[in-house]
Amino acid sequence: GQQVMQIPQYQHVQEGEDFTTYCNSSTTLSNIQWYKQRPGGHPVFLIQLVKSGEVKKQKRLTFQFGEAKKNSSLHITATQTTDVGTYFCFPGNQGGKLIFGQGTELSVKP
Amino acid sequence: GAVVSQHPSWVICKSGTSVKIECRSLDFQATTMFWYRQFPKQSLMLMATSNEGSKATYEQGVEKDKFLINHASLTLSTLTVTSAHPEDSSFYICSANLAGVNNEQFFGPGTRLTVL
Repeated sequence: GQQVMQIPQYQHVQEGEDFTTYCNSSTTLSNIQWYKQRPGGHPVFLIQLVKSGEVKKQKRLTFQFGEAKKNSSLHITATQTTDVGTYFCFPGNQGGKLIFGQGTELSVKP
Repeated sequence: GAVVSQHPSWVICKSGTSVKIECRSLDFQATTMFWYRQFPKQSLMLMATSNEGSKATYEQGVEKDKFLINHASLTLSTLTVTSAHPEDSSFYICSANLAGVNNEQFFGPGTRLTVL
């Protein structure tokens, strides 16, 4: 069955440093979504990528979808304390299955 | 975006009791809702897919007789944890998606269940 691996599991950075989380799938994805979950909160939709090689930016966040549509990344430039939380990749509804990545927990030291 | 609410936001109960959690889509109709469980420091694990007017579809390893799901209307799904035990303590989250909106999931705020 489909497997989604997300790395790293944890990332501790100094405020101002960059951060990247990676999501890798064993199968080709039709699309991939990214969510952010603040501590104690619920996941909130960030973005969806659909096209091969797609790159989208939201202020300091850059999202990429691989050419083979099997991997994706989220990069945050110059992290701020407000970026703290867990970032999940989500390949959407794949044949009725909703499978989230394991998540990357980001902590930012001021 | 669409709004999904959950009630209660937290509940503490004694072992052996049953707890009902409600998930409502406030400004849209949801023929399908999803129930997840999230343990501390872990990802969301899909428990079941709730279908309006029909039986829920449970993921492998999830006991349907323990986690009763009822989706009686287009805006309400309920999850009842029957005969709760301490190992059922977790964060339960529901989600729904708007038809035709690229499968973006709108999550409820979650219900934190603590079983003593």
